[in-house]
Amino acid sequence: AQSVTQLGSHVSVSEGALVLLRCNYSSSVPPYLFWYVQYPNQGLQLLLKYTSAATLVKGINGFEAEFKKSETSFHLTKPSAHMSDAAEYFCAVSDPKDSNYQLIWGAGTKLIIKP
Amino acid sequence: SQTIHQWPATLVQPVGSPLSLECTVEGTSNPNLYWYRQAAGRGLQLLFYSVGIGQISSEVPQNLSASRPQDRQFILSSKKLLLSDSGFYLCAWSVPGGFGEQYFGPGTRLTVT
Repeated sequence: AQSVTQLGSHVSVSEGALVLLRCNYSSSVPPYLFWYVQYPNQGLQLLLKYTSAATLVKGINGFEAEFKKSETSFHLTKPSAHMSDAAEYFCAVSDPKDSNYQLIWGAGTKLIIKP
Repeated sequence: SQTIHQWPATLVQPVGSPLSLECTVEGTSNPNLYWYRQAAGRGLQLLFYSVGIGQISSEVPQNLSASRPQDRQFILSSKKLLLSDSGFYLCAWSVPGGFGEQYFGPGTRLTVT
C-alpha cells in the first residue's frame, strides 16, 4: 500500500528565509504527486502537482517542488517566506492505476513564520 | 469554471440530534465526490466517496452516512450525533480519468455539544 510521510508536524522559519517542507512517498510505481495548502478554517487549495512531465514543478504563491524518483521525494520549497505563508501544508499522492483516483495523504505540516 | 459549495459553514448541534450537510458542484459533469473529516489537530480522514449517482463507498465504519441523489450533489447525514462527530467536514471533487487532484469546498465546522 502506498504511504506518504511528511517530516515535521511543525516547521518554523523566519520571514524572508527559505521554506523547505519535506514529503516522501512509498510506491513501486511513480505516482502523481500534489501539494495543498490550508489556511485556518478554510478548505484545501491545490498549490502544485506533478504528473510525470517536468520534474521541477512551479505552483502558486511562489512555491515549487521537485520530484526525485531516486529519493522517492517531492519536497516543497519557497526561496523567501512571507507572513502570509503561515498555514498547514499537505502532500498527497495518487496511484495512476487506481481508477477512482483516491489520494493518499500525509499528516500535514504547519508552517510558522517568525517576524 | 467549476465551483463547489458547502453549507452550512458552521453548525452547533446537541448530542443525539440529526445531521445533514450538503455539497454541490457546478461547472462539471459526473465528478467523483468525496467527504473528509478533520478532527482537531489531526489530518484528513476520508469518510465516503462516490463515482456516480447512488454509488457510495464508505471508508470508515461510523455514525455517518452519505447519499448522492443527483449528479453534482453529495449529502452527509447522521441520525444521532455523537460528541466524537465534532470536526471540520470537507467536500471535494475530482475529474474521473484525470490525474487525481481533488478540489475542495470551504468546509463546515461542526460542534456537537
